[in-house]
Amino acid sequence: AQSVSQHNHHVILSEAASLELGCNYSYGGTVNLFWYVQYPGQHLQLLLKYFSGDPLVKGIKGFEAEFIKSKFSFNLRKPSVQWSDTAEYFCAVSSLSGGYNKLIFGAGTRLAVHP
Amino acid sequence: EAEVAQSPRYKITEKSQAVAFWCDPISGHATLYWYRQILGQGPELLVQFQDESVVDDSQLPKDRFSAERLKGVDSTLKIQPAELGDSAMYLCASSLRGAGPNTGELFFGEGSRLTVL
Repeated sequence: AQSVSQHNHHVILSEAASLELGCNYSYGGTVNLFWYVQYPGQHLQLLLKYFSGDPLVKGIKGFEAEFIKSKFSFNLRKPSVQWSDTAEYFCAVSSLSGGYNKLIFGAGTRLAVHP
Repeated sequence: EAEVAQSPRYKITEKSQAVAFWCDPISGHATLYWYRQILGQGPELLVQFQDESVVDDSQLPKDRFSAERLKGVDSTLKIQPAELGDSAMYLCASSLRGAGPNTGELFFGEGSRLTVL
């Protein structure tokens, strides 16, 4: 069965620190990969996505993620975090199941950035 | 910008009562999803519709949960009877039909937070 694993449940950083959140998935077929973010009191929104092509994907707000197929990983990075990046981050994997896209989420990583 | 609409935003109920949540997806989105998000966990897919048909309800507790999307547009998720363990955020999302690029991206509503006492 398809699954998504996020390595860190809680991360605390100071502003300007670099960020890397790990994500691994288990699925042998073709996948689409996503990072969603949920800011406090807001709904889930897309941060970035990978469908095909360049495995280094750039998203909004300076975030990027790298798809490493051999490692089944899609880690999220940001070189310098800001206080406003405090949020919960979810990695998600979409694959075709019965002809339809099915999106499975990881457990999430809660990021707190201190000024 | 088009959004997924959900109601109610908050619902407090006593166990054994019936609860219903409503979702109106983005216009033109053929696929509709209901997810449950328990505090501290990632969203878990309960049911997925393609137009008016259920294409995945493998994780839906069918003894107490039901979902419908009669005209292939808006949808209702019902719980009867509610149990303490049902306390969670119920998220609705929608996406375009198909399997190509830009069709795997889901757009989420604000969610309906359920508290069962």
